[in-house]
Amino acid sequence: AQSVAQPEDQVNVAEGNPLTVKCTYSVSGNPYLFWYVQYPNRGLQFLLKYITGDNLVKGSYGFEAEFNKSQTSFHLKKPSALVSDSALYFCAVTSGTYKYIFGTGTRLKVLA
Amino acid sequence: GAVVSQHPSRVICKSGTSVKIECRSLDFQATTMFWYRQFPKQSLMLMATSNEGSKATYEQGVEKDKFLINHASLTLSTLTVTSAHPEDSSFYICSARDQGTGENSPLHFGNGTRLTVT
Repeated sequence: AQSVAQPEDQVNVAEGNPLTVKCTYSVSGNPYLFWYVQYPNRGLQFLLKYITGDNLVKGSYGFEAEFNKSQTSFHLKKPSALVSDSALYFCAVTSGTYKYIFGTGTRLKVLA
Repeated sequence: GAVVSQHPSRVICKSGTSVKIECRSLDFQATTMFWYRQFPKQSLMLMATSNEGSKATYEQGVEKDKFLINHASLTLSTLTVTSAHPEDSSFYICSARDQGTGENSPLHFGNGTRLTVT
């Protein structure tokens, strides 16, 4: 069965510092991995995806993520956090069906 | 970019009434749309997959007679919460994928509907 784990409910980071939001997955077959961001009372916005190829994927708003097959991880990163990055972040996986599995979400709080 | 419009953004209704939520893909066609429910501080729970021209596929534990889904065209899916009760109060989000893109393309999400049943 497919699953996604986001082990941290909340991550706090000071503005200007690097941030990491963790995600691990379990899927049979090749994984398609995604990160989405959600602002209050809004839907989800696509940030980036990994399908194949380079393990380091760059996305919107300066975010990037690293696919690590041996650790089955897909952590979201940004070199320098902004207060405006504060939001709820979701990792998701699909294995080629149309059904996405979402993690439980990690609330990122960037402190000024 | 691909836009999904969801309406209304907020609705308050009385217990026992029905509420219809619309999800439209504005600049692409979607044979499949997805309806999610999100509880406070929790992840998205997939309720059902809406299929254009055929019956929706419901996830285990979701009452199909309670949550009626209609996908009458390639750009519109509706979710009707029938005989709403306070426990149906939640944030409902729809999503769709451009049918012209592959299975590994991202989903596009509506902005959600906050339903409050009094």
